[in-house]
Amino acid sequence: QKEVEQDPGPLSVPEGAIVSLNCTYSNSAFQYFMWYRQYSRKGPELLMYTYSSGNKEDGRFTAQVDKSSKYISLFIRDSQPSDSATYLCAMSRSSNTGKLIFGQGTTLQVKP
Amino acid sequence: NAGVTQTPKFQVLKTGQSMTLQCAQDMNHNSMYWYRQDPGMGLRLIYYSASEGTTDKGEVPNGYNVSRLNKREFSLRLESAAPSQTSVYFCASGGGYEQYFGPGTRLTVT
Repeated sequence: QKEVEQDPGPLSVPEGAIVSLNCTYSNSAFQYFMWYRQYSRKGPELLMYTYSSGNKEDGRFTAQVDKSSKYISLFIRDSQPSDSATYLCAMSRSSNTGKLIFGQGTTLQVKP
Repeated sequence: NAGVTQTPKFQVLKTGQSMTLQCAQDMNHNSMYWYRQDPGMGLRLIYYSASEGTTDKGEVPNGYNVSRLNKREFSLRLESAAPSQTSVYFCASGGGYEQYFGPGTRLTVT
């Protein structure tokens, strides 16, 4: 069993929809939870990160972490065609080591 | 600032050939990383370097070697390429949770 599981999709939604992307994990030692966005044929880029449990909002994006359920989510409100990309969750035990464990990535397409 | 650069962008090798993937960063980061990305597998860490002069194995190090040439440069070497090493390779730099990725090298081993 992988330490981090993510539904690979693909996920196709109409423009303006609310998108929910999710990951589950098995290692309770994870403390830092990240979402990276990767456009086609590009390298990933950090979108958001959360430390421990709770919510974090940045514009149309909201990241949620539920450590009791070992479940993290990324919500995208008012989705735009420019949001079409692969979204990878990533987790780390500490902020120092940089040893990130990535999920498989979910491919999202937002149709105009 | 160029960020993280990688060369080459594409490469085709025959089984048994060797090659070195080059990576450089201009953000003065101590830590650098090499990942591979395969369909359905996400990104997997091959090797990382926490600082100049140190390297350590990641999740999938077999068949690879690395060199941290200086603070800017971190290279990945395939000594005897195998078809199982067909993948997209990403170099990254940065500390902790925020890593900056290069554009990737698409490697095919036939």
